[in-house]
Amino acid sequence: QKEVEQDPGPLSVPEGAIVSLNCTYSNSAFQYFMWYRQYSRKGPELLMYTYSSGNKEDGRFTAQVDKSSKYISLFIRDSQPSDSATYLCAMSGTSNYQLIWGAGTKLIIKP
Amino acid sequence: DAGITQSPRHKVTETGTPVTLRCHQTENHRYMYWYRQDPGHGLRLIHYSYGVKDTDKGEVSDGYSVSRSKTEDFLLTLESATSSQTSVYFCAISEKGGANYGYTFGSGTRLTVV
Repeated sequence: QKEVEQDPGPLSVPEGAIVSLNCTYSNSAFQYFMWYRQYSRKGPELLMYTYSSGNKEDGRFTAQVDKSSKYISLFIRDSQPSDSATYLCAMSGTSNYQLIWGAGTKLIIKP
Repeated sequence: DAGITQSPRHKVTETGTPVTLRCHQTENHRYMYWYRQDPGHGLRLIHYSYGVKDTDKGEVSDGYSVSRSKTEDFLLTLESATSSQTSVYFCAISEKGGANYGYTFGSGTRLTVV
């Protein structure tokens, strides 16, 4: 079993819909949770960062962490075709240099 | 990507040959990382550096070596390329240690070993 599980998709939704992307994890020591967005043929870019449990909002994006369920989510409101990309979750515990990554979910927003 | 450049962008090489990939940054960040990305596996850390001449292994370091003689350059060498090393390689940098600070990635090198 992988430490971080993420549905690869693709997830296809119409423009304007609310998108929910999720990851589950097994290591209760994880404290830092990140979402990266990766466009085709590009490197990942940091989208959201959350420490421990709770919600964090940034514009149309909301990151949610439920440590009791070992489950993190990224919500995208009013989705746009430009949001079409692969979304990677990543997390780490007390180790300074090791991020553990999900395999990514491919998101397609249809105009 | 601003501040971080990978070269070459694409490379095809034969099994058994050595290959060196280069990562160059202009941000003067202390920490640099090499990842590979494969379908179904996500990103996996190969090696990382926390300063000039200071490097350490990641989770998939077998068959790879690195060098960092200057702050701005981090080289990844495949000592004798194998088909299993066909992948997309990403370099990343971070200003501070600790994965929680977030990384800036390069655009990647697409390597094919035939």
